[in-house]
Amino acid sequence: QSVLTQPPSVSGAPGQRVTISCTGGSSNIGTGYDVHWYQQLPGTAPKLLIYGNTNRPSGVPDRFSGSKSGTSASLAITGLQAEDEADYYCQSYDTSLRVVVFGGGTKLTVL
Amino acid sequence: QVQLQESGPGLVKPSETLSLTCTVSGYSISSGYYWAWIRQPPGKGLEWIGSVYHSGSTFYNLSLKSRVIISVDTSKNQFSLKLSSVTAADTAVYYCARPHSYSNWNDVGFDYWGQGTLVTVSS
Repeated sequence: QSVLTQPPSVSGAPGQRVTISCTGGSSNIGTGYDVHWYQQLPGTAPKLLIYGNTNRPSGVPDRFSGSKSGTSASLAITGLQAEDEADYYCQSYDTSLRVVVFGGGTKLTVL
Repeated sequence: QVQLQESGPGLVKPSETLSLTCTVSGYSISSGYYWAWIRQPPGKGLEWIGSVYHSGSTFYNLSLKSRVIISVDTSKNQFSLKLSSVTAADTAVYYCARPHSYSNWNDVGFDYWGQGTLVTVSS
């Protein structure tokens, strides 16, 4: 059971917009710690998509965007493409557990 | 271009110690950052194991703390992971990673990762 809760799966057709939620609590996202997002293609290491809630590293398309409100965060992907099919993880820090925590991951299927 | 590469045995017997090394190229560990180990059991999610600074200062996942030692060798530009008393539950792909910011160890994302190495615990 992950401290950060993500839906196990989401799906969308090419060109559509999808969002992936990451729900935490008062000891992690709600304390003000940043949320970061990763994309993991099969058999590869995670790739940082969003850091500090809303910032994109160089080279990440602006189709990917992040937001945070209260004890939750979201990753939005617009103009869905077949190559976006992957697992997505959120990450933050939990002050009670004193641990860097990850969400359980969400599998994105492009229909 | 910063690159990280994990190395070590791919098979460890139960109750023994798992030992991995991460070799960093393109950046001097001595220049900063809290370098991290993260693992992923087959078909499962990511778990942060711990982080180390070039001074040797460490932060560990409390669920593993009694079994984990992370150390750094700045002369070789490497940092290492030792996990003792392993069981099948420690079977995972182990990644080393560098955070996007050198300012702290916990409120950071990880922007450079090694390719990962699968360690299987089995007799």
